[in-house]
Amino acid sequence: QQPVQSPQAVILREGEDAVINCSSSKALYSVHWYRQKHGEAPIFLMILLKGGEQKGHDKISASFNEKKQQSSLYLTASQLSYSGTYFCGTDLNTDKLIFGTGTRLQVFP
Amino acid sequence: KAGVTQTPRYLIKTRGQQVTLSCSPISGHRSVSWYQQTPGQGLQFLFEYFSETQRNKGNFPGRFSGRQFSNSRSEMNVSTLELGDSALYLCASSLNARGNTEAFFGQGTRLTVV
Repeated sequence: QQPVQSPQAVILREGEDAVINCSSSKALYSVHWYRQKHGEAPIFLMILLKGGEQKGHDKISASFNEKKQQSSLYLTASQLSYSGTYFCGTDLNTDKLIFGTGTRLQVFP
Repeated sequence: KAGVTQTPRYLIKTRGQQVTLSCSPISGHRSVSWYQQTPGQGLQFLFEYFSETQRNKGNFPGRFSGRQFSNSRSEMNVSTLELGDSALYLCASSLNARGNTEAFFGQGTRLTVV
């Protein structure tokens, strides 16, 4: 049931773009995205709901393909502050949020 | 408003002992979920409570248990500790138990079993 994230790690220079993918083998009700910096709590980035509704930060972009049970997080013009581990969490309409193993993103000057 | 508070922040226990971790959610939040975080495993779901009822449970042995009080505060207990239980334990609170609401995480309790 754990969603699969790819890639496992990304290294970027400031200003470059990245895409992080999340896929599930089961039909999804919602996909959540969080970022965790080392030694800190994960923080909320975005929720994408079945039917097209999205809630999240204006500077974050993501997509949700319901048919393929996939979501992608788009990080454009990356900044040093984007560094951290990104987790997607999936809910199968069971009120249980299951997270993937994470994608580690490092942005260098 | 105050965030999610987890206590204690750090714990060192020996094998065979038991431990209780505490989580105070954001005021007004009724759902509390617990996760175990270890390197390479991501966030493993332990259980979720809503209005004092355990609604969901992950694939962990019965040594892991929890409860939620009427004020939404939650505790997690691990009995007969094993070395493999060493991890960061995170709790997350949300307004309700639906998958359409964001979760707010606490700083976690770092448990080390020696």
